[in-house]
Amino acid sequence: NAGVTQTPKFRVLKTGQSMTLLCAQDMNHEYMYWYRQDPGMGLRLIHYSVGEGTTAKGEVPDGYNVSRLKKQNFLLGLESAAPSQTSVYFCASIMTSGSETQYFGPGTRLLVL
Amino acid sequence: AQSVSQHNHHVILSEAASLELGCNYSYGGTVNLFWYVQYPGQHLQLLLKYFSGDPLVKGIKGFEAEFIKSKFSFNLRKPSVQWSDTAEYFCAVPYSSASKIIFGSGTRLSIRP
Repeated sequence: NAGVTQTPKFRVLKTGQSMTLLCAQDMNHEYMYWYRQDPGMGLRLIHYSVGEGTTAKGEVPDGYNVSRLKKQNFLLGLESAAPSQTSVYFCASIMTSGSETQYFGPGTRLLVL
Repeated sequence: AQSVSQHNHHVILSEAASLELGCNYSYGGTVNLFWYVQYPGQHLQLLLKYFSGDPLVKGIKGFEAEFIKSKFSFNLRKPSVQWSDTAEYFCAVPYSSASKIIFGSGTRLSIRP
């Protein structure tokens, strides 16, 4: 199992550009999450999905959109990137709600100039 | 609503020193608690978790944490740290539904060789 993978690993964008981050998991997990990590603020939940075709807003959803067209993939989109979106983005997944813990991907470092 | 706070932002220790990192949570019914670790350049990994039962939880790499309900605390401990313990440590607690997790702001641990 590759676990949770993220593409790309690093990206530089100019303000106003768009991009999509891909998260893929091969563990047949139902729930998937997108977080951003900023210094001194821990991880904050952007959006999440409890199953194929469903998405929901997290703590800091503004400026981001997501899609879960296939169970194994969870895409995070930035329609018009802003410098405030410079961050490290982590994807995570879990089988179902319950006592299990989340499995994290390696992260995507995004720099918006 | 659940919340979690970590008051130590950066801790510097010498090798073989004892470690205790603080974590306090707000009460929100059934309490489940996690400690995650993020080694430099890597993704988050679960260090240990508490769901019920023995309040003293043992995790990987010699770490342990004690759940003290009366103090709303779940402090992380290790009797003798090693240089390889250099990392950022996050306390976390589930909140709401869909296995969402809220993270503390993190504690950066630096170990002097």
